[in-house]
Amino acid sequence: ETGVTQTPRHLVMGMTNKKSLKCEQHLGHNAMYWYKQSAKKPLELMFVYNFKEQTENNSVPSRFSPECPNSSHLFLHLHTLQPEDSALYLCASSQDLDTYTEAFFGQGTRLTVV
Amino acid sequence: AQSVTQLGSHVSVSEGALVLLRCNYSSSVPPYLFWYVQYPNQGLQLLLKYTSAATLVKGINGFEAEFKKSETSFHLTKPSAHMSDAAEYFCAVMDSSYKLIFGSGTRLLVRP
Repeated sequence: ETGVTQTPRHLVMGMTNKKSLKCEQHLGHNAMYWYKQSAKKPLELMFVYNFKEQTENNSVPSRFSPECPNSSHLFLHLHTLQPEDSALYLCASSQDLDTYTEAFFGQGTRLTVV
Repeated sequence: AQSVTQLGSHVSVSEGALVLLRCNYSSSVPPYLFWYVQYPNQGLQLLLKYTSAATLVKGINGFEAEFKKSETSFHLTKPSAHMSDAAEYFCAVMDSSYKLIFGSGTRLLVRP
Protein backbone atom coordinates (compact mmCIF):
# COMPACT_ATOMS: atom_id res chain seq x y z
CA GLU A 1 0.00 0.00 0.00
CA THR A 2 1.69 3.18 -1.22
CA GLY A 3 -0.96 5.69 -0.17
CA VAL A 4 -1.97 6.28 -3.78
CA THR A 5 -5.18 4.58 -4.89
CA GLN A 6 -6.38 4.28 -8.45
CA THR A 7 -9.81 3.21 -9.63
CA PRO A 8 -10.83 1.28 -11.54
CA ARG A 9 -8.03 -1.28 -11.80
CA HIS A 10 -9.28 -2.50 -15.16
CA LEU A 11 -11.37 -0.73 -17.79
CA VAL A 12 -12.58 -1.83 -21.20
CA MET A 13 -14.17 0.86 -23.31
CA GLY A 14 -15.33 1.34 -26.85
CA MET A 15 -13.93 4.07 -29.03
CA THR A 16 -17.09 6.16 -28.68
CA ASN A 17 -17.36 5.87 -24.89
CA LYS A 18 -16.55 8.45 -22.26
CA LYS A 19 -14.96 7.26 -19.05
CA SER A 20 -12.84 8.64 -16.24
CA LEU A 21 -9.89 7.34 -14.26
CA LYS A 22 -9.60 8.37 -10.65
CA CYS A 23 -6.55 8.77 -8.44
CA GLU A 24 -6.53 9.64 -4.75
CA GLN A 25 -3.53 10.11 -2.46
CA HIS A 26 -3.48 10.16 1.33
CA LEU A 27 0.11 11.32 1.72
CA GLY A 28 -0.40 15.06 2.01
CA HIS A 29 1.48 15.60 -1.24
CA ASN A 30 1.06 18.60 -3.49
CA ALA A 31 2.27 17.28 -6.85
CA MET A 32 0.43 14.66 -8.87
CA TYR A 33 1.22 13.01 -12.17
CA TRP A 34 -0.28 10.85 -14.89
CA TYR A 35 2.00 8.40 -16.69
CA LYS A 36 1.24 6.08 -19.60
CA GLN A 37 2.96 2.71 -19.76
CA SER A 38 2.66 0.85 -23.06
CA ALA A 39 4.20 -2.47 -23.93
CA LYS A 40 7.79 -2.16 -25.12
CA LYS A 41 7.89 1.62 -24.56
CA PRO A 42 9.37 3.68 -21.75
CA LEU A 43 7.14 5.31 -19.19
CA GLU A 44 5.64 8.46 -20.69
CA LEU A 45 4.88 11.40 -18.46
CA MET A 46 1.54 12.84 -19.59
CA PHE A 47 0.52 15.56 -17.14
CA VAL A 48 1.86 17.21 -14.02
CA TYR A 49 -0.06 19.16 -11.40
CA ASN A 50 1.47 21.14 -8.56
CA PHE A 51 -0.83 22.66 -5.93
CA LYS A 52 -3.80 21.91 -8.25
CA GLU A 53 -2.31 23.84 -11.15
CA GLN A 54 -1.29 22.04 -14.32
CA THR A 55 2.40 22.65 -14.91
CA GLU A 56 3.05 20.24 -17.74
CA ASN A 57 1.23 18.71 -20.68
CA ASN A 58 3.57 16.58 -22.74
CA SER A 59 1.82 16.99 -26.08
CA VAL A 60 -0.97 14.68 -25.02
CA PRO A 61 -3.91 14.42 -27.45
CA SER A 62 -7.02 16.31 -26.40
CA ARG A 63 -8.99 13.08 -26.08
CA PHE A 64 -7.24 12.85 -22.69
CA SER A 65 -8.43 15.56 -20.32
CA PRO A 66 -7.01 15.80 -16.79
CA GLU A 67 -8.68 17.39 -13.82
CA CYS A 68 -7.26 18.15 -10.39
CA PRO A 69 -9.99 19.54 -8.10
CA ASN A 70 -7.71 19.47 -5.04
CA SER A 71 -4.25 18.26 -4.08
CA SER A 72 -5.56 14.84 -3.07
CA HIS A 73 -7.49 13.92 -6.21
CA LEU A 74 -6.60 13.62 -9.85
CA PHE A 75 -8.81 12.50 -12.69
CA LEU A 76 -8.18 11.56 -16.29
CA HIS A 77 -11.23 11.96 -18.49
CA LEU A 78 -11.24 9.84 -21.62
CA HIS A 79 -13.31 10.24 -24.78
CA THR A 80 -13.16 8.93 -28.34
CA LEU A 81 -10.03 6.94 -27.64
CA GLN A 82 -8.12 4.86 -30.17
CA PRO A 83 -6.95 1.25 -29.80
CA GLU A 84 -3.36 2.47 -29.49
CA ASP A 85 -4.38 4.23 -26.28
CA SER A 86 -4.66 0.82 -24.62
CA ALA A 87 -2.05 0.83 -21.85
CA LEU A 88 -1.46 0.89 -18.12
CA TYR A 89 -2.14 4.37 -16.77
CA LEU A 90 -0.24 5.17 -13.61
CA CYS A 91 -0.89 7.96 -11.19
CA ALA A 92 1.84 9.20 -8.88
CA SER A 93 2.32 11.87 -6.25
CA SER A 94 5.27 13.60 -4.61
CA GLN A 95 5.76 16.26 -1.98
CA ASP A 96 5.86 19.08 -4.52
CA LEU A 97 7.97 20.36 -7.41
CA ASP A 98 10.51 22.14 -5.23
CA THR A 99 12.14 19.25 -3.42
CA TYR A 100 14.17 16.22 -4.40
CA THR A 101 11.84 13.53 -3.13
CA GLU A 102 10.62 10.34 -4.65
CA ALA A 103 7.26 9.79 -6.28
CA PHE A 104 4.77 7.28 -4.95
CA PHE A 105 2.77 5.33 -7.50
CA GLY A 106 -0.67 3.82 -7.55
CA GLN A 107 -1.28 0.32 -8.86
CA GLY A 108 -2.48 1.61 -12.19
CA THR A 109 -5.54 1.25 -14.37
CA ARG A 110 -5.24 -1.27 -17.19
CA LEU A 111 -7.17 0.32 -20.06
CA THR A 112 -8.26 -1.62 -23.12
CA VAL A 113 -9.88 0.26 -26.00
CA VAL A 114 -11.93 -1.91 -28.32
CA ALA B 1 19.05 17.54 -20.01
CA GLN B 2 18.98 14.62 -17.65
CA SER B 3 18.53 11.07 -18.91
CA VAL B 4 19.18 7.46 -17.92
CA THR B 5 20.15 4.43 -19.95
CA GLN B 6 19.51 0.91 -18.76
CA LEU B 7 21.69 -1.65 -20.48
CA GLY B 8 19.87 -4.87 -21.23
CA SER B 9 16.11 -5.06 -21.54
CA HIS B 10 16.21 -8.59 -20.07
CA VAL B 11 18.54 -10.13 -17.52
CA SER B 12 18.31 -13.79 -16.53
CA VAL B 13 19.98 -15.25 -13.43
CA SER B 14 19.76 -18.47 -11.48
CA GLU B 15 18.24 -18.47 -8.03
CA GLY B 16 21.00 -17.69 -5.54
CA ALA B 17 23.19 -15.93 -8.10
CA LEU B 18 24.31 -12.31 -8.07
CA VAL B 19 21.92 -9.80 -9.59
CA LEU B 20 23.45 -6.85 -11.47
CA LEU B 21 21.24 -4.38 -13.29
CA ARG B 22 23.01 -1.54 -15.05
CA CYS B 23 22.07 2.11 -15.16
CA ASN B 24 24.06 5.01 -16.55
CA TYR B 25 22.92 8.57 -16.21
CA SER B 26 23.49 11.86 -17.91
CA SER B 27 23.10 14.99 -15.87
CA SER B 28 24.52 18.49 -15.97
CA VAL B 29 23.92 18.92 -12.26
CA PRO B 30 24.54 16.61 -9.27
CA PRO B 31 22.02 13.87 -9.92
CA TYR B 32 19.30 12.50 -7.73
CA LEU B 33 18.85 8.86 -8.73
CA PHE B 34 16.26 6.23 -7.98
CA TRP B 35 15.53 2.57 -8.58
CA TYR B 36 11.95 1.37 -8.76
CA VAL B 37 10.55 -2.15 -9.09
CA GLN B 38 7.34 -3.14 -10.82
CA TYR B 39 5.70 -6.51 -10.27
CA PRO B 40 3.19 -7.76 -12.86
CA ASN B 41 0.03 -5.67 -13.03
CA GLN B 42 1.25 -3.39 -10.26
CA GLY B 43 2.50 0.15 -9.96
CA LEU B 44 6.09 1.15 -9.30
CA GLN B 45 7.58 0.72 -5.84
CA LEU B 46 10.65 2.59 -4.66
CA LEU B 47 13.63 0.30 -3.99
CA LEU B 48 16.19 2.94 -3.08
CA LYS B 49 17.38 6.45 -3.81
CA TYR B 50 20.63 8.40 -4.00
CA THR B 51 20.50 11.98 -2.79
CA SER B 52 24.21 12.90 -2.53
CA ALA B 53 24.81 11.44 0.92
CA ALA B 54 26.52 8.02 0.99
CA THR B 55 27.59 6.64 -2.38
CA LEU B 56 26.51 3.12 -1.43
CA VAL B 57 22.78 3.08 -0.92
CA LYS B 58 20.90 0.22 0.68
CA GLY B 59 17.30 -0.42 -0.23
CA ILE B 60 14.52 -2.84 0.48
CA ASN B 61 14.55 -6.58 -0.20
CA GLY B 62 18.35 -6.80 0.05
CA PHE B 63 19.09 -4.57 -2.93
CA GLU B 64 21.77 -1.91 -2.99
CA ALA B 65 23.24 0.48 -5.52
CA GLU B 66 26.52 2.33 -5.77
CA PHE B 67 26.82 5.82 -7.17
CA LYS B 68 30.01 6.19 -9.23
CA LYS B 69 30.48 9.70 -10.52
CA SER B 70 33.54 8.84 -12.59
CA GLU B 71 31.55 6.22 -14.48
CA THR B 72 28.22 8.10 -14.37
CA SER B 73 26.68 4.87 -13.16
CA PHE B 74 24.19 3.75 -10.54
CA HIS B 75 24.05 -0.03 -10.91
CA LEU B 76 21.67 -2.11 -8.82
CA THR B 77 22.91 -5.29 -7.15
CA LYS B 78 21.74 -8.07 -4.90
CA PRO B 79 24.09 -10.83 -3.69
CA SER B 80 21.62 -13.70 -4.01
CA ALA B 81 18.55 -13.72 -6.24
CA HIS B 82 15.22 -15.06 -5.04
CA MET B 83 12.38 -16.22 -7.24
CA SER B 84 10.31 -13.36 -5.80
CA ASP B 85 12.76 -10.84 -7.32
CA ALA B 86 11.42 -11.54 -10.79
CA ALA B 87 10.01 -8.20 -11.91
CA GLU B 88 10.81 -5.17 -14.03
CA TYR B 89 13.27 -2.65 -12.65
CA PHE B 90 13.44 1.02 -13.58
CA CYS B 91 16.24 3.47 -13.02
CA ALA B 92 15.26 7.13 -12.85
CA VAL B 93 16.91 10.53 -12.53
CA MET B 94 15.26 13.67 -11.28
CA ASP B 95 15.40 16.52 -13.75
CA SER B 96 15.85 20.22 -13.04
CA SER B 97 12.07 20.62 -12.69
CA TYR B 98 11.99 17.95 -9.98
CA LYS B 99 10.30 15.39 -12.24
CA LEU B 100 11.42 11.79 -12.64
CA ILE B 101 12.88 10.71 -15.96
CA PHE B 102 12.77 6.94 -16.30
CA GLY B 103 14.91 4.48 -18.19
CA SER B 104 13.32 1.90 -20.45
CA GLY B 105 13.40 -0.79 -17.78
CA THR B 106 15.10 -4.16 -17.31
CA ARG B 107 13.08 -7.31 -16.84
CA LEU B 108 14.73 -9.67 -14.36
CA LEU B 109 14.07 -13.37 -14.84
CA VAL B 110 15.09 -15.77 -12.05
CA ARG B 111 15.60 -19.42 -13.01
CA PRO B 112 15.02 -22.11 -10.39
